Amino acid sequence: DLQMTQSPSSLSASVGDRVTITCRASLTIGTYLNWYQQKPGKAPKLLIYAASTLQSGVPSRFSGRGSGTDFTLTISSLRPEDVATYFCQHSFSTPFTFGGGTKVEIK
Amino acid sequence: QVQLVQSEAEVKKPGASVKVSCKVSGGSLTEFSMHWVRQAPGKGLEWIGGLDPEDGETLYAEEFQGRVILTEDTSTDTAFMELSNLRSEDTAVYFCANLRDMVINRPFQAFDFWGQGTMVIVSS
Repeated sequence: DLQMTQSPSSLSASVGDRVTITCRASLTIGTYLNWYQQKPGKAPKLLIYAASTLQSGVPSRFSGRGSGTDFTLTISSLRPEDVATYFCQHSFSTPFTFGGGTKVEIK
Repeated sequence: QVQLVQSEAEVKKPGASVKVSCKVSGGSLTEFSMHWVRQAPGKGLEWIGGLDPEDGETLYAEEFQGRVILTEDTSTDTAFMELSNLRSEDTAVYFCANLRDMVINRPFQAFDFWGQGTMVIVSS
């Protein structure tokens, strides 16, 4: 199965900082890559699909880049409401697999 | 406003089965391609299976083959996930989620709509 590896597993940053999360696929997946945000006790929320397209209603401080095997999610200016765990997920083929998650906290 | 409303938490003994429901409220199940994802406490997300919108077949992750059955009742707009022969490692929150084609005429799919989750605890 395709494996998705995220890094770092956690990070702490100040409000206003630029934050970047990395996701690497074990095989090339084009741009079949999605990003989700999950707050404690809640279901995941789709942020970005097709590697770089912002889901409707998602703030523009979120952006995604990459293709092939290497992808990034960037928060341009971290806000307190962005405290959450972020997951990448490939949609290249089944089984769909997720990265292990990156927990983002405020310093 | 459309919502996916899941059934309440369950506590089961090892070896038992559990059936979790996911009702489409304010809409029709036929508009959804329902999939199931689980999350063990403090862990990541794991895809269980779901409906392939291209051919209507149900797909399952290999590790759940033979132990999970996904069904739908369109008369009540409800999807079901039944997991049998439960073990302690099955303790998790189980989510239903809609797999949507996000780009017209291009196969970019994503889980765009989620239920609130159902906690299943397996304990003797």
